[in-house]
Amino acid sequence: DAGVTQSPTHLIKTRGQQVTLRCSPKSGHDTVSWYQQALGQGPQFIFQYYEEEERQRGNFPDRFSGHQFPNYSSELNVNALLLGDSALYLCASSLIGDPYNEQFFGPGTRLTVL
Amino acid sequence: AQSVAQPEDQVNVAEGNPLTVKCTYSVSGNPYLFWYVQYPNRGLQFLLKYITGDNLVKGSYGFEAEFNKSQTSFHLKKPSALVSDSALYFCAVRPLGNNRKLIWGLGTSLAVNP
Repeated sequence: DAGVTQSPTHLIKTRGQQVTLRCSPKSGHDTVSWYQQALGQGPQFIFQYYEEEERQRGNFPDRFSGHQFPNYSSELNVNALLLGDSALYLCASSLIGDPYNEQFFGPGTRLTVL
Repeated sequence: AQSVAQPEDQVNVAEGNPLTVKCTYSVSGNPYLFWYVQYPNRGLQFLLKYITGDNLVKGSYGFEAEFNKSQTSFHLKKPSALVSDSALYFCAVRPLGNNRKLIWGLGTSLAVNP
């Protein structure tokens, strides 16, 4: 049973560039959430996708956008990168029908913006 | 505002000694409570959750957590710490209702010394 996978593992970009991060949910899961974790901080909720639509969003600017595909995998796009976007980006999958919203996390993508 | 507090940035304990990582929350109603662990350069791993019932919840790797409704706390415990338990621990709370977002603490770094 494959867990949550994310690619790439590491990424280095420069200010102003755009980046796309990818996530495949745990087998059987239909919901994907994205988090940003800055160094020394807890995860900050970016948004959640279900049925290919953004269902909830945290306090992030429109530069952060996403997509969910019919196979439930998801992408996180960040435009006009800022130095402050450097962080570990975590993807978590869950089942929309799970009342407890237990989330399974991938290993993350470490984004460095220079 | 709803929040989760982990009052200790770091906890140090000798191997073989009991450990406690504290978590308190400010959320209306009876929320669902979670503990996650994060090893260096890894994603978050689920440890345990409290939904209802017995106040003492047992989880992975010998960890347990005690729910105290009157003190709105959900402290993580282990009777005998291992060096391999050294990691970052996060407490998370899901308030009841249609909002499925988790509210996260800032994390506590646990160092178990040999």
